[in-house]
Amino acid sequence: DSGVTQTPKHLITATGQRVTLRCSPRSGDLSVYWYQQSLDQGLQFLIQYYNGEERAKGNILERFSAQQFPDLHSELNLSSLELGDSALYFCASSGVAGRYNEQFFGPGTRLTVL
Amino acid sequence: LAKTTQPISMDSYEGQEVNITCSHNNIATNDYITWYQQFPSQGPRFIIQGYKTKVTNEVASLFIPADRKSSTLSLPRVSLSDTAVYYCLVEVVGADGLTFGKGTHLIIQP
Repeated sequence: DSGVTQTPKHLITATGQRVTLRCSPRSGDLSVYWYQQSLDQGLQFLIQYYNGEERAKGNILERFSAQQFPDLHSELNLSSLELGDSALYFCASSGVAGRYNEQFFGPGTRLTVL
Repeated sequence: LAKTTQPISMDSYEGQEVNITCSHNNIATNDYITWYQQFPSQGPRFIIQGYKTKVTNEVASLFIPADRKSSTLSLPRVSLSDTAVYYCLVEVVGADGLTFGKGTHLIIQP
C-alpha cells in the first residue's frame, strides 16, 4: 500500500461526457502527479501540482484539467470524452525534493469510454 | 530520440539471478538512473536509484559503469512474484514528471 488513494476504481461512461477522478496523496506529500496509461501510448505524465499550484505540464490534452485543493487532494477532470481516452489513470505523490526520484503511485482509476 | 533502451521482454526461472540492462547513451551530468517495477493493473513502484558505481538495497542492486552510458538492474534469486514490467528512467533528481519508456516485461517461470 503506497498510501496514495484514488477514487473511483472503475468508471464507465459514454463519449462526450465529463468525469472527475480524485486522488489523495500520502500524508505530508505536497506534490501530486497525474499519469495516463494506455495500451498504445504507455505510461505518460500529464500534469503536476505542488502545494496547490500547477508546477509542470506533460502531454495533457486541453479537454483535461486538474487542480489541487488546500487539503492537498487533487482532482483530474476529463471532458468531451472520446473512445481514445479509455485508459488507466494514475495519481502519484512525493515529498519535498530530496535525493530520490521516488514517486508513490496510487492503485489507479480505470476509465472506459463507450 | 529515446532516452533509454531496454529489452522488450525477458524470462527466467525461480531462484535465478536476473540482470536487466538499460542503455542511455545521452545521459546528462545531472541525470540519475532510476528503476521502477509495475505489476498488471497497479501503479509503478520505485525499486532503486543510482548515479554511479554500485547501489544495493533490500530488493535489488544497480550497477553503473564509469561512463554511465548503461546500467544493469540485478534481481537476486527471483520468484514468481517478480514477474512484472521493469522501467529504466533517466531523470534529474526531483524531476517534475517521470518519463517512462516501454519497459522490460520480465516473466519468471517455476
